[in-house]
Amino acid sequence: NAGVTQTPKFRVLKTGQSMTLLCAQDMNHEYMYWYRQDPGMGLRLIHYSVGEGTTAKGEVPDGYNVSRLKKQNFLLGLESAAPSQTSVYFCASSYNRGDTEAFFGQGTRLTVV
Amino acid sequence: GENVEQHPSTLSVQEGDSAVIKCTYSDSASNYFPWYKQELGKRPQLIIDIRSNVGEKKDQRIAVTLNKTAKHFSLHITETQPEDSAVYFCAASKGGGADGLTFGKGTHLIIQP
Repeated sequence: NAGVTQTPKFRVLKTGQSMTLLCAQDMNHEYMYWYRQDPGMGLRLIHYSVGEGTTAKGEVPDGYNVSRLKKQNFLLGLESAAPSQTSVYFCASSYNRGDTEAFFGQGTRLTVV
Repeated sequence: GENVEQHPSTLSVQEGDSAVIKCTYSDSASNYFPWYKQELGKRPQLIIDIRSNVGEKKDQRIAVTLNKTAKHFSLHITETQPEDSAVYFCAASKGGGADGLTFGKGTHLIIQP
């Protein structure tokens, strides 16, 4: 039981490049989330999903897209990376409602130069 | 949307003393209030949570109190130890909705030997 796993752990992109971050969970959770963490800003919600085939915007969705084709996977895409997207990205999942424990992945440190 | 304010941003206490971190929230519909601990370079992990139908909850050296009328909740750590040094985040959620957690900006707790 690995919990929530993110790939890759580190990545450096040039401005304008694209990439996809993968989040996988093996806990059969319905809800999945993508957050970004910046110094002094806490964690801010980018997008979330309440089940397979569903996605919704969070607090800071601009510049990102997501997909949830399979229940266990939640993908975060950057179509044209910008320096402002330099951040640590965390995926999380929770069993059912938004008021149950969220389990986090280990994070992806992304630098856009 | 929900707004969570957290204070202080940095807290330094002597080993063995108590530490208190305070948060306020804006949305009276919020009903779930977790606290996460994040060690340097690691993922956030839940340490304690409280729901709106409870005023206080304890787990060994950690306790959380909730004042729904004033819309604030606090984390109390007693008999602090070096391993308590970390960044602590409070969060709030409306639960029945699926819009994830809104986090405070974090408190860096430093335990002085």
